[in-house]
Amino acid sequence: NAGVTQTPKFRILKIGQSMTLQCAQDMNHNYMYWYRQDPGMGLKLIYYSVGAGITDKGEVPNGYNVSRSTTEDFPLRLELAAPSQTSVYFCASSYSGTGRNQPQHFGDGTRLSIL
Amino acid sequence: AQKVTQAQTEISVVEKEDVTLDCVYETRDTTYYLFWYKQPPSGELVFLIRRNSFDEQNEISGRYSWNFQKSTSSFNFTITASQVVDSAVYFCALSESEPQNDYKLSFGAGTTVTVRA
Repeated sequence: NAGVTQTPKFRILKIGQSMTLQCAQDMNHNYMYWYRQDPGMGLKLIYYSVGAGITDKGEVPNGYNVSRSTTEDFPLRLELAAPSQTSVYFCASSYSGTGRNQPQHFGDGTRLSIL
Repeated sequence: AQKVTQAQTEISVVEKEDVTLDCVYETRDTTYYLFWYKQPPSGELVFLIRRNSFDEQNEISGRYSWNFQKSTSSFNFTITASQVVDSAVYFCALSESEPQNDYKLSFGAGTTVTVRA
């Protein structure tokens, strides 16, 4: 019963390095989301996708890119890591359609430090 | 503008006390959804409840209860007879259902609840 799986769980990057945070869900959910959570703060939406091949910006997209080639996978890429991107990153998925708004299911998070 | 406000940053109680978490939201939509999530010290986010804007009935689930009042745009959460395991950060979130909003969640800043033995 995997749900939403995020890898890696922890990562330390040097300034300017690139990396991809992986997210996979096995619930056949059409909607997927990436959030970041800074210390003492709520979650802020980075990017989201309403289905394979469709992505859109959230509240804080700068410095990130996403792709959604399959229903299951929604990777988040950091191209040039900056200290301001030190955060905990959560991936989530949900099934949403006309008149239906199901709860988002979250992965366990990726703790990322940029030094 | 902040769509979800959780005015209480931290609440500390002694075990068996009741604790109420406030959540005030702002939206122009007539149809919307409200959620509460729990984030224990281990860090994962656990879904607790979803309520749509047409259902103002209060709900009780075990020691948890929710009071939804559209007139004051509030969706408050009460833990009765708190236990140490209730120690966590609790988030209130709003999903606005107009099509262009794509069911995105707007989170409050969270309330940290500490229950002392």
